[in-house]
Order: sequence, then C-alpha cells, then structure tokens
Amino acid sequence: DVKVTQSSRYLVKRTGEKVFLECVQDMDHENMFWYRQDPGLGLRLIYFSYDVKMKEKGDIPEGYSVSREKKERFSLILESASTNQTSMYLCASSFYRAPGDQYFGPGTRLLVL
Amino acid sequence: SQQGEEDPQALSIQEGENATMNCSYKTSINNLQWYRQNSGRGLVHLILIRSNEREKHSGRLRVTLDTSKKSSSLLITASRAADTASYFCATDLGGSEKLVFGKGTKLTVNP
Repeated sequence: DVKVTQSSRYLVKRTGEKVFLECVQDMDHENMFWYRQDPGLGLRLIYFSYDVKMKEKGDIPEGYSVSREKKERFSLILESASTNQTSMYLCASSFYRAPGDQYFGPGTRLLVL
Repeated sequence: SQQGEEDPQALSIQEGENATMNCSYKTSINNLQWYRQNSGRGLVHLILIRSNEREKHSGRLRVTLDTSKKSSSLLITASRAADTASYFCATDLGGSEKLVFGKGTKLTVNP
C-alpha cells in the first residue's frame, strides 16, 4: 500500500515563528504536492515538485517555501507564520507524467496564534 | 483558480437510497477524478475517468462524463452510513501533473 505520512496531525505555533511541515512517501513517486484546505474554499495548491530539487508554484505560494532534497521527502516551510495561515495542510504524491491518482497524507491541522 | 465545481454543496439521504453528486468544469481535460474525504482526514482516490470514456463503474460507484457539457456525475448506489464523507472532483489541466479540486459535496447518510 502506498503510504504518505505527515510529521504532525496537529500543530500550534505563534505568529512570527518558522514552521516546518514534513511529508514522506514510500512509493518512489516523482511528484509531490502541498495543498491547504479551508472551509468554503476547497483544496488549493501551494507548491508542487516533480523531481528532487525541482519545485513549481501553485495557486497560493505567497508566504510559503518548499524543499525537496530527497525524492521521498517534501517539506513545506512557513518562514514567518501568520494567523491567516491557520489551516489544514495536505500533502500528496503521484507518479511522474501521470496526473492520475494522487495519494494523500492524513493532513496537519495548523493553528497559528 | 477553481476548475471543478460540485453540486450540491450538501446532501442528506437515508441509508439504502442512492446519492448523486455533480461536477462541472471549465476547460478541456484529459481525465477527471473523484476523491472522498472523511472528516478531518486526507483524501482517498475513488475513481478516474478519461476524456474518451463516458461511463465507469467501481463497486457501488458509477461515474459518467459528458465532455460536451463539461460535466461529470458520481452516483453511489445503496448508500450506507459509512459513505458519510465529503466528495471532491478533480481535473487535470490538459496534461499537467497538477490537479484542480472543486469545493466538494458533503454527503450525510442517515442510518
């Protein structure tokens, strides 16, 4: 079974803190994605990566950065957390050049105070 | 930008009834997918239908695709309380690795 894991299920941080959200997949997938999910807005793509050290901006990259040093790991970084970044963050992965199934992690619910 | 839009936003039915959810999209696609999300969890892929397919079945799920109307429907037959979840359609953007998700239909199946 494909497994996508996220480092935390729940996280509470203070405004201005640097926040790292980690995602690991065990299926040798080339593509990895970070979404945020907010009520009434659905899933919105923040960043995605189609290879190690490669990244592309999604629809809402402002305030976020990403890192992909190894194929199986994709990190989302909030350089200086703000209250409007309180959200559910979902990581996903898929095979390269096959915009088919995306496999999702369980999500990280982040609260920024 | 929102590509897929589900309808209705919320649906409440009794166990045993069928549930139908619709999805409309704006631009040409290679495929359309449906995902399910239980409360507070990640999404789970249900079914993918390619642009050259009109109908696809998987267990109690039936998906149709009408590319001329840019719409798809997901039918869950003989629903169960365990089907209670949010359902999302997702479309690719003409071959991109990215998917664009709709806002979802929240289905409640009452026992």
